[in-house]
Amino acid sequence: GNSVTQMEGPVTLSEEAFLTINCTYTATGYPSLFWYVQYPGEGLQLLLKATKADDKGSNKGFEATYRKETTSFHLEKGSVQVSDSAVYFCALKDQAGTALIFGKGTTLSVSS
Amino acid sequence: DVKVTQSSRYLVKRTGEKVFLECVQDMDHENMFWYRQDPGLGLRLIYFSYDVKMKEKGDIPEGYSVSREKKERFSLILESASTNQTSMYLCASGPPAGYGYTFGSGTRLTVV
Repeated sequence: GNSVTQMEGPVTLSEEAFLTINCTYTATGYPSLFWYVQYPGEGLQLLLKATKADDKGSNKGFEATYRKETTSFHLEKGSVQVSDSAVYFCALKDQAGTALIFGKGTTLSVSS
Repeated sequence: DVKVTQSSRYLVKRTGEKVFLECVQDMDHENMFWYRQDPGLGLRLIYFSYDVKMKEKGDIPEGYSVSREKKERFSLILESASTNQTSMYLCASGPPAGYGYTFGSGTRLTVV
C-alpha cells in the first residue's frame, strides 16, 4: 500500500543553520506530495505542495522538489529561525485516493 | 480563508461514556476527515466522508463511528470511550481535487 517515511527527530539546530528533513514515499502512479507544519498547540497547516515530477513547491523560505526517480520529497530551508520550531509532516495523496497519507512527523527545534 | 472549527480544544471523559466530537467547515467542501494523532505514530485516518450521509472507513475505524447529516458538519462518535482512545483528534476538510486540506485546531481528548 501507499506509505510515507520521514526522518526521525528531533532535529536540533542553531538559528541560521541549513535544514533538511528527508521524506520518501511508496505509491503507485503519480501521487501529489505535501509538507504540513504543526506549531505548538495548533492544527496542521499546509506549507507547500507539488503535484507532478520535478515540480518544486516553496513557501516561507522552505522548498521541496518532487523526485520521481528517487521517490523523495525532501524539505529544505537555507537559514532557519527560532519561529520555525514545529513538527513537520510529509504527506501524499495518490491519484485514486481521497485521504492524505502522512509520515510520522519530524520535530524541529531551533535555538538562538 | 477556509475555517475548520472543532467544538472543543480539551475534553475529559470517563470510560464507557459516549463521546461526540464536532467539526464544522465553512467552505462548502465535499470531503471531510477525522484523524487521530499520537506521539511516534503520526496521523492515522479514522473515517472520511465525501458527501452528505456518505462515509468510508480509514485505517483505524474500530471503536468509532461518524455522522454527516449536513455538508458543513462531520461528527466523530466514540460509542463507549476507552482509555486507549486518549489522543489528539484532528478534523480536516477539502475539495474533491484533494489539494491543500485545511485542518482544525484539534481536540485533545483524555479518557479516565
